[in-house]
Amino acid sequence: AQSVAQPEDQVNVAEGNPLTVKCTYSVSGNPYLFWYVQYPNRGLQFLLKYITGDNLVKGSYGFEAEFNKSQTSFHLKKPSALVSDSALYFCAVRDMYSNDYKLSFGAGTTVTVRA
Amino acid sequence: DTAVSQTPKYLVTQMGNDKSIKCEQNLGHDTMYWYKQDSKKFLKIMFSYNNKELIINETVPNRFSPKSPDKAHLNLHINSLELGDSAVYFCASSQQTSGSRKETQYFGPGTRLLVL
Repeated sequence: AQSVAQPEDQVNVAEGNPLTVKCTYSVSGNPYLFWYVQYPNRGLQFLLKYITGDNLVKGSYGFEAEFNKSQTSFHLKKPSALVSDSALYFCAVRDMYSNDYKLSFGAGTTVTVRA
Repeated sequence: DTAVSQTPKYLVTQMGNDKSIKCEQNLGHDTMYWYKQDSKKFLKIMFSYNNKELIINETVPNRFSPKSPDKAHLNLHINSLELGDSAVYFCASSQQTSGSRKETQYFGPGTRLLVL
């Protein structure tokens, strides 16, 4: 079984401040982890992923995430948030050993960056 | 160039009708998916096809029937539409080459279905 938890429904930050969106996961084997962003009335856009290798992953629009196996976490971070980062963020996981390629998504975190 | 496209973008219909949503990807991927996003924005996988073979079939009413005529297309047909079918339906695709570092699913813009 695989699952993702995003413990915060909403995150509010001021522009220029650091942004963190939390994600914890559960898989039977090893995880493939993903972050997606959804702007209003749009599809999901891929931000970054962890498959293997360095625990710190850098992605689009200045975002990065750190894979922490001991804490089963994959938090999304941005050092200096922009108003344009306001959107809905999804974390997703797939068990490396699953044979159906299914991604399980978290419930999403709404990020609001105020000017 | 659009990578994953869906038609129609909006679909408003009456209960009991039958409708189809089409999806096409030009990324050369071998796997395609249908997701449903409900009013609370929760995303749930419905179906997945790998090289035209059904590999994921979640607990979805059998009124929903996917069809993959070729690797680049995955259509979703819904019979006898119900109010609860109102949602946004997303198509996605990925390349699931064994041992690759790919895996990323790319999503279409969504089809907003409203059943009246």
